[in-house]
Amino acid sequence: DAKTTQPPSMDCAEGRAANLPCNHSTISGNEYVYWYRQIHSQGPQYIIHGLKNNETNEMASLIITEDRKSSTLILPHATLRDTAVYYCIVRGHNDYKLSFGAGTTVTVRA
Amino acid sequence: GAVVSQHPSRVICKSGTSVKIECRSLDFQATTMFWYRQFPKQSLMLMATSNEGSKATYEQGVEKDKFLINHASLTLSTLTVTSAHPEDSSFYICSATPRGGAAGELFFGEGSRLTVL
Repeated sequence: DAKTTQPPSMDCAEGRAANLPCNHSTISGNEYVYWYRQIHSQGPQYIIHGLKNNETNEMASLIITEDRKSSTLILPHATLRDTAVYYCIVRGHNDYKLSFGAGTTVTVRA
Repeated sequence: GAVVSQHPSRVICKSGTSVKIECRSLDFQATTMFWYRQFPKQSLMLMATSNEGSKATYEQGVEKDKFLINHASLTLSTLTVTSAHPEDSSFYICSATPRGGAAGELFFGEGSRLTVL
């Protein structure tokens, strides 16, 4: 069973920031928060991951609360190509058998 | 970045035939690969873990005699759907972990869409 809870869908205006929440209240100390996305009819794509500190890369930023029970993925300037299903997954670094929940379907509108 | 390639990307077959899907790691060796399937409007479901040189490990409810997995080399795993039926129509996705790679590294293939008529 997926150990995360995400809203089923979200709309975002092109050029604006998209903030995607994820609850993972049962996360254990050695588990990381990973984010992947799946564009229609493609395989999942890695976005970012973090343990407890906030992280940023060329795709997104990840904000993890101090108690690590929730996090937010931020797409700073959403484009139409960011329309996808976004999956928040908690996993240990050596846990490669991923459990996907329903994710959040993000639709970026012009 | 590391690339995992699946072939074919799309396949249509008649009911009762067998279909083989390949998953290749193009620029790294993968001792372990994973197979998922995804039905329309649903999430990915793990089917099995493919280990190079040994038998695959199947998730509960996945028939090992129907979904044959072979991981004969460090860069190739194959999934054969035997005696395919329309209910096997799905999007099949593999993932692979690089041998000796950074902790947590995992790469997905582009997926293979199977349609059984």
